Amino acid sequence: TQLLEQSPQFLSIQEGENLTVYCNSSSVFSSLQWYRQEPGEGPVLLVTVVTGGEVKKLKRLTFQFGDARKDSSLHITAAQPGDTGLYLCAGADFNKFYFGSGTKLNVKP
Amino acid sequence: DAGVIQSPRHEVTEMGQEVTLRCKPISGHNSLFWYRQTMMRGLELLIYFNNNVPIDDSGMPEDRFSAKMPNASFSTLKIQPSEPRDSAVYFCASSQRDRVYNEQFFGPGTRLTVL
Repeated sequence: TQLLEQSPQFLSIQEGENLTVYCNSSSVFSSLQWYRQEPGEGPVLLVTVVTGGEVKKLKRLTFQFGDARKDSSLHITAAQPGDTGLYLCAGADFNKFYFGSGTKLNVKP
Repeated sequence: DAGVIQSPRHEVTEMGQEVTLRCKPISGHNSLFWYRQTMMRGLELLIYFNNNVPIDDSGMPEDRFSAKMPNASFSTLKIQPSEPRDSAVYFCASSQRDRVYNEQFFGPGTRLTVL
């Protein structure tokens, strides 16, 4: 059973476009994390959100945690080819993490 | 810090052989996780340890899989006997459980191919 559903699964856009990736669940999490994974490497943590309604910005990336702490979104402004990768969300239930199915982003120059 | 270290990076073996994957967590981290990643199933948690003690192994596929953590700086994941469907990338991750956010740091993974 996939506790976290991500959408879209695949996204191919031109450099300079904006995009939003969604992470949805019916479960409440104590925190939610976003990772980016490049081919041949392990996932790398981008951000952790803890409080319902919390918004965090990391340069051109904006992360939001839903008020009920069940869902989250990642918005990228003016995407660049360097943003290409697999984006994973992970919900924390105490010390156990549940990963979403991932969104594969390709930003074309 | 060197980060999480995994070995080997690539492993090709034949069905029925024993496979041992190794992990060295980040020094000072007290939680260690083993994950498996495939195209079909994504990233799945197999087992995790707190202070070298296995806490949850509900993700381990079957008895052919076993994991140990004899000390705070070393863990192994063993598959015996291996089967073609075990082919995947296996990741080890560690975290500092005492921290509020329990941020995980992943190793580079071991790509396992069972022929």
